[in-house]
Amino acid sequence: DAGVIQSPRHEVTEMGQEVTLRCKPISGHNSLFWYRQTMMRGLELLIYFNNNVPIDDSGMPEDRFSAKMPNASFSTLKIQPSEPRDSAVYFCASSLSESYGYTFGSGTRLTVV
Amino acid sequence: DAKTTQPPSMDCAEGRAANLPCNHSTISGNEYVYWYRQIHSQGPQYIIHGLKNNETNEMASLIITEDRKSSTLILPHATLRDTAVYYCIVTSGTYKYIFGTGTRLKVLA
Repeated sequence: DAGVIQSPRHEVTEMGQEVTLRCKPISGHNSLFWYRQTMMRGLELLIYFNNNVPIDDSGMPEDRFSAKMPNASFSTLKIQPSEPRDSAVYFCASSLSESYGYTFGSGTRLTVV
Repeated sequence: DAKTTQPPSMDCAEGRAANLPCNHSTISGNEYVYWYRQIHSQGPQYIIHGLKNNETNEMASLIITEDRKSSTLILPHATLRDTAVYYCIVTSGTYKYIFGTGTRLKVLA
């Protein structure tokens, strides 16, 4: 298995532009998580999907952030419009269930200038 | 979920055992102890988890005290590739992990 696949690895965009981050979870995993990591705040859970349904999006910073999981093999995290304070590394993770260990992707490093 | 306390940093000589402590004095009966590590610029990697019995896998051993108020992650023969930030997480099995700041382990040649 190739693990959790995220794209792009790096993204540089201008303030105000729309950014879309993509994630392909491990086949058979039914839980998917989006995390954000910054030096100041560490790793933060943004949203959790179970069986493609958003269960908890309380970590999504504001309405500029949205996430979708149209099927079991694909999820997106969108920021519109992007702001410099959104600069961070965004990780996607998947798991067989909440109580199993999570497998994280390699992350997308987002820089908003 | 219970709060955890870890030392901010530790050094270990290559080839020696690395023992990483974690304090979770407010842990409740249904909460598990999970360990993850994050090697520089990579995503966190699951290592091991346990409830009250000691656990061992191909990566590490987890020793949980009888009162469950603390635990130790043991890397039996540390290598340079084990240099990473190690996170101890206590959770009742829900998805809301709190990663904290972890222990920065440096393995020295």
